[in-house]
Amino acid sequence: QSVLTQPPSVSGAPGQRVTISCTGSSSNIGAGYDVHWYQQLPGTAPKLLIYDNNNRPSGVPDRFSGSKSGTSASLAITGLQAEDEADYYCQSYDNSLREVFGGGTKLTVL
Amino acid sequence: QLQESGPGLVKPSETLSLSCTVSGDSISRSSYHWGWIRQPPGKGLEWIGSIYYTGSTYYNPSLKSRVTISVDTSKNQFSLKLSSVTAADTAVYYCARLFSYNILTGYFFDYWGQGTLVTVSS
Repeated sequence: QSVLTQPPSVSGAPGQRVTISCTGSSSNIGAGYDVHWYQQLPGTAPKLLIYDNNNRPSGVPDRFSGSKSGTSASLAITGLQAEDEADYYCQSYDNSLREVFGGGTKLTVL
Repeated sequence: QLQESGPGLVKPSETLSLSCTVSGDSISRSSYHWGWIRQPPGKGLEWIGSIYYTGSTYYNPSLKSRVTISVDTSKNQFSLKLSSVTAADTAVYYCARLFSYNILTGYFFDYWGQGTLVTVSS
């Protein structure tokens, strides 16, 4: 059971908007630590998608955005495309456990 | 660029040993930490531990008794040893670089190796 809780799966049609939640606690997200998001395409290594809650590395489309509030964070994907079908993970720091990941969310593009 | 190397098959109760070679940057740059993450087949990501170029380490508490991470700055490499392995340690093992713009609010993994599958079986 992951310290950061994500929905196991989300889905959406091409062009739609989807969000993925990441719920933590007062010892990690709620303690003020940043949340980061990774995209893992099938058979590949994870790739940094969002860092420090809402920043995109160079090359990441602005269709991807992040937000954080209280003990939770969210990843939003607008204008859904078939190539967005992947697993998505959130990551933060925990006062007891150090680096922690969410359990991952599988995005299916219908 | 990061590249993992090591045996793909380890016997139960033995020690898993992997290395990560860093190219294109110095492992001794003060801006970075270096880490290991694993992913069992069909499951999520689990952080194993991290190291700074000075040798300072921090580990996942659930694995701490079995994990040793070390760094060799002369080879621009860092390594993972996981002792007393069982089938539950079968996973793809990734090495990655950690970076932070504000160390008070945490680090993120900005570059990852391609991963290497390690199977624990007799």
